[in-house]
Amino acid sequence: AQRVTQPEKLLSVFKGAPVELKCNYSYSGSPELFWYVQYSRQRLQLLLRHISRESIKGFTADLNKGETSFHLKKPFAQEEDSAMYYCALKGNTPLVFGKGTRLSVIA
Amino acid sequence: DADVTQTPRNRITKTGKRIMLECSQTKGHDRMYWYRQDPGLGLRLIYYSFDVKDINKGEISDGYSVSRQAQAKFSLSLESAIPNQTALYFCATSDFGDTQYFGPGTRLTVL
Repeated sequence: AQRVTQPEKLLSVFKGAPVELKCNYSYSGSPELFWYVQYSRQRLQLLLRHISRESIKGFTADLNKGETSFHLKKPFAQEEDSAMYYCALKGNTPLVFGKGTRLSVIA
Repeated sequence: DADVTQTPRNRITKTGKRIMLECSQTKGHDRMYWYRQDPGLGLRLIYYSFDVKDINKGEISDGYSVSRQAQAKFSLSLESAIPNQTALYFCATSDFGDTQYFGPGTRLTVL
């Protein structure tokens, strides 16, 4: 079975502080991992995917197969990063999403 | 992304009524999906279709049905709506690259 766990429903950080949104997954095969973001009053959109190994809006995420994790990180949070973040996994079925973490960046 | 549209955007209905939510896309993608979003539960897949002749159940298909009328159109029906189907419904599309492009969502309330 494919499963994605995001342990934090809400994460509050101060502007300029580092951010780490946690994501753990369960899948016996070789997964593809994604982070999607939903800003206020906007539709869900792709933030990044592990196979691209790129940095988007200062965010990075590394797939750690040993720890089955795909944590999202940013060294310095900005107010415009406040949003809902979803980790998603694609194995042998379409995307399975975690329950999401709401990031609140406090000025 | 205006390439994926959903109608209606908001709908209030009563228990037992039949409801249809529509999704259209101009991205030329073969793959389309229907999700529901509930607070604290994230997005859960209802149905998906990889081409016009392909329909597959997702995690929570009970109480729902779909129709893929054309490559660009994928409709979700609630044959007899019930209050616990109150949710935000999203349509999405993808190509073989698997990046999904979402519609703006339909907020459905079943009284």
